[in-house]
Amino acid sequence: GQQVMQIPQYQHVQEGEDFTTYCNSSTTLSNIQWYKQRPGGHPVFLIQLVKSGEVKKQKRLTFQFGEAKKNSSLHITATQTTDVGTYFCAGTNDYKLSFGAGTTVTVRA
Amino acid sequence: DTGVSQDPRHKITKRGQNVTFRCDPISEHNRLYWYRQTLGQGPEFLTYFQNEAQLEKSRLLSDRFSAERPKGSFSTLEIQRTEQGDSAMYLCASSLPGGPGANVLTFGAGSRLTVL
Repeated sequence: GQQVMQIPQYQHVQEGEDFTTYCNSSTTLSNIQWYKQRPGGHPVFLIQLVKSGEVKKQKRLTFQFGEAKKNSSLHITATQTTDVGTYFCAGTNDYKLSFGAGTTVTVRA
Repeated sequence: DTGVSQDPRHKITKRGQNVTFRCDPISEHNRLYWYRQTLGQGPEFLTYFQNEAQLEKSRLLSDRFSAERPKGSFSTLEIQRTEQGDSAMYLCASSLPGGPGANVLTFGAGSRLTVL
């Protein structure tokens, strides 16, 4: 079955620094989504990427879908304390989303 | 519309007891999903409904788990003869029936189950 792997599992970032988290699938994906889960909260949709090589930006967040549609990345610039949480990628084929284990981000002020 | 509602938010039960969770999706969403999440893991797919039809059930789900969506609106997830390994957050999500948002999930706050 489809497996989605995320690295790193934990990311400890100094406030103001940049970082990138990566997502890799064992199979080609129809599209990929990113969700954010704040501590004690539930996953909240951030973005969906559909096209090969697609790049989308949301303020300080840049999302990229690989050319082969098997990997994706999330890059955050100038990290803020509001970026704390766990970022999940989820690969979709048809209707079902398969989530990675997430990258948990902590920020040092 | 207040989003996806789940009840109860927390449930503590003894091993062997039955529990039932309820999910009320966003009204115009005809797709409804149940996921399970344990500490340090991403949500794990359990089952999926389109309207009242249960179209897929995870092979990881034992026969002790059953879900229904009798009128295509709210859904229930029942766990019979609970085991300690069932302790987790049970997340319900819904999505639109078609278009770009068809696979975009809106999650509820979850029902946290603790089996003693």
